[in-house]
Amino acid sequence: SQTIHQWPATLVQPVGSPLSLECTVEGTSNPNLYWYRQAAGRGLQLLFYSVGIGQISSEVPQNLSASRPQDRQFILSSKKLLLSDSGFYLCAWRDRGRHEQYFGPGTRLTVT
Amino acid sequence: LAKTTQPISMDSYEGQEVNITCSHNNIATNDYITWYQQFPSQGPRFIIQGYKTKVTNEVASLFIPADRKSSTLSLPRVSLSDTAVYYCLVGDVATGGSYIPTFGRGTSLIVHP
Repeated sequence: SQTIHQWPATLVQPVGSPLSLECTVEGTSNPNLYWYRQAAGRGLQLLFYSVGIGQISSEVPQNLSASRPQDRQFILSSKKLLLSDSGFYLCAWRDRGRHEQYFGPGTRLTVT
Repeated sequence: LAKTTQPISMDSYEGQEVNITCSHNNIATNDYITWYQQFPSQGPRFIIQGYKTKVTNEVASLFIPADRKSSTLSLPRVSLSDTAVYYCLVGDVATGGSYIPTFGRGTSLIVHP
């Protein structure tokens, strides 16, 4: 069966510090991968998606970046965090040819 | 232009059937309709998916009229644990990487004792 991991579960970082969130998927090959952010009481905002290793598409211009160094690894990064980067970050995967997505447990990021 | 429109919130009571309707007037011929459920501090969970008529699984039913301009998620005999946000998405994975799942605000369902 497939599983998706995200870490850390919670993170408190000062403004201007770097960020690295990691997501890994097990039990599937060549998935589409996604990073979403959810502000309190809001819907999910798609940040990045990837259809393959090294292929990243950005949906929203911001100070975040994403990378996919391996088939089942997706990393969200920032060089300098802003207060507005606070939120709940979710990674998801989807098998090509299927509509349903599967989400990780999420990372709660608080920028102080 | 939003692809889907849902009520922002709904209230119900334990044991009742809940129907959440999603409007998707511009749905394309090959688009599928997918519903998710999200609890606080968790990622959305896939509930059900359909293309036309009726789909049923162990969790819910999905009703899609012939014109496919709307769909209704039906939750039978809800319990307090069904309190969550429900999202409706439309899209076609046949477009490959162009299929970008887009979540709106969803419908916040509150089930009362």
